[in-house]
Amino acid sequence: EIVLTQSPATLSLSPGETATLSCRTSQSVRNYLAWYQQRPGQAPRLLIFDASNRASGVPDRFSGSGSGTDFTLTITSLEPEDFAVYYCQPRSNWPSFGGGTKVQIK
Amino acid sequence: QVQLQESGPGLVKPSETLSLICSVSGVSISSDVYYWGWIRQSPGEGLEWIGTVHYGESTYYSPSLKSRVTISMDTSKNQFSLRLTSVTAADTAVYFCARRPHYDILTGFDHWGKGTLVTVSS
Repeated sequence: EIVLTQSPATLSLSPGETATLSCRTSQSVRNYLAWYQQRPGQAPRLLIFDASNRASGVPDRFSGSGSGTDFTLTITSLEPEDFAVYYCQPRSNWPSFGGGTKVQIK
Repeated sequence: QVQLQESGPGLVKPSETLSLICSVSGVSISSDVYYWGWIRQSPGEGLEWIGTVHYGESTYYSPSLKSRVTISMDTSKNQFSLRLTSVTAADTAVYFCARRPHYDILTGFDHWGKGTLVTVSS
């Protein structure tokens, strides 16, 4: 089973700033990683698939990068609706989730 | 459009079996292209993948839950289900069902139900 470590656990930023979130995997997943956003009381929403591809309807202020074991989700010019929890998940027959990063308003 | 809807009891007694159904519309669950999964989230915690099923292929379960979990499909009703036996308070969570396209298409669960809260309590 692949173990995912997300950092930081919490990120405190102001609207308009840039958020940089990290996800590290315990073994290489090549570029096969997904990112999700979860707002309070809602189901997760797929944001990025295969490390760098935006899912349908996702604004271009969201971008993903990385390969192997180190991945980054970047959110530029944070909007009020972007303050949420973000999770990463690898391609695997046992696709566990990272522990999440909460992006909160400073 | 694709929709998933979880249903089942909101309260289960300790040691009993939790049973949930995910009703799918807008796509056939017997399609070769899609896999179907269950994910849960304990109050205030992160996401925990439970298992994934595919019509015609093996079903995969989380190693930590494998001894207690069964996921099955009813293609006549376009539904798939979750059974979790011998539940304890630690199984209290919001349970989500979700769709995962074949990995040749993309990595990730691209459609989710809204989730249903299941509380384990006597």
